Amino acid sequence: EDKVVQSPLSLVVHEGDTVTLNCSYEVTNFRSLLWYKQEKKAPTFLFMLTSSGIEKKSGRLSSILDKKELFSILNITATQTGDSAVYLCAVDLGSGNTGKLIFGQGTTLQVKP
Amino acid sequence: DAGITQSPRHKVTETGTPVTLRCHQTENHRYMYWYRQDPGHGLRLIHYSYGVKDTDKGEVSDGYSVSRSKTEDFLLTLESATSSQTSVYFCAISVRGPDQPQHFGDGTRLSIL
Repeated sequence: EDKVVQSPLSLVVHEGDTVTLNCSYEVTNFRSLLWYKQEKKAPTFLFMLTSSGIEKKSGRLSSILDKKELFSILNITATQTGDSAVYLCAVDLGSGNTGKLIFGQGTTLQVKP
Repeated sequence: DAGITQSPRHKVTETGTPVTLRCHQTENHRYMYWYRQDPGHGLRLIHYSYGVKDTDKGEVSDGYSVSRSKTEDFLLTLESATSSQTSVYFCAISVRGPDQPQHFGDGTRLSIL
C-alpha cells in the first residue's frame, strides 16, 4: 500500500525560530514529491522535487529530497506568524498520464509572536 | 490564481439525498481532480478526469460518481449521501500537464446530517 507519513503532526514555535518538517514515503512508483501550504482554504503549491540532493529554495523556505532514504524535509528559517498553516506533503505516483497524488496527514505549524 | 471555482461553497443536507458539487475552470485545462479532506487523513483522491468524458477512480471512489461533459466543468455526485461523506471537498487542476503541480480550488464544506 502506498503511504506518505509526515512528522511531527503539530508544532508550536516562536517567531524567529527555525523549523524542520519531515515527510517519508513508501510507494510503488515515484515521479515527484510536492509540498503545499494550506491556510484557511485551498492548498497552495510550494515546491516540487524530483531529484535527490538538489535543494529548492524560496525566500525563507527550502526543501530537499533523499530518494535513497525515501524522505524529504521542508525548512523554514526565521519563522513569522504568517507561516502558521498546515503543511502538506504529497507524492506523485507517476501513474501514466494521470497525476495521482498521495498526501500525508499534514503538519500543523503555529508560530507565536 | 488558477481560475477554479467550486460551488456551492457550503452545503448542509440529509442522509439519503443526492448531492452534486461543481468544479468550474476557465482555462481549458485537460486534467481535473476531486479530493476530500478529513482530519487525520490529509487529502484523498476520489476521481479524476483526463479529458471530456474520460474519467477514472481514485483511492476513495465508493459512493461517488463524476461526469465531465465539457472541458470547463467537472461534477462530483453523491447519489445517496451518507454521514461518512461529511467532509471538505477540493477540486484541483493540473495546469501544465499531469506531471506538474496541481492547483486547488477553495473547497466545498459538505455536512450530511
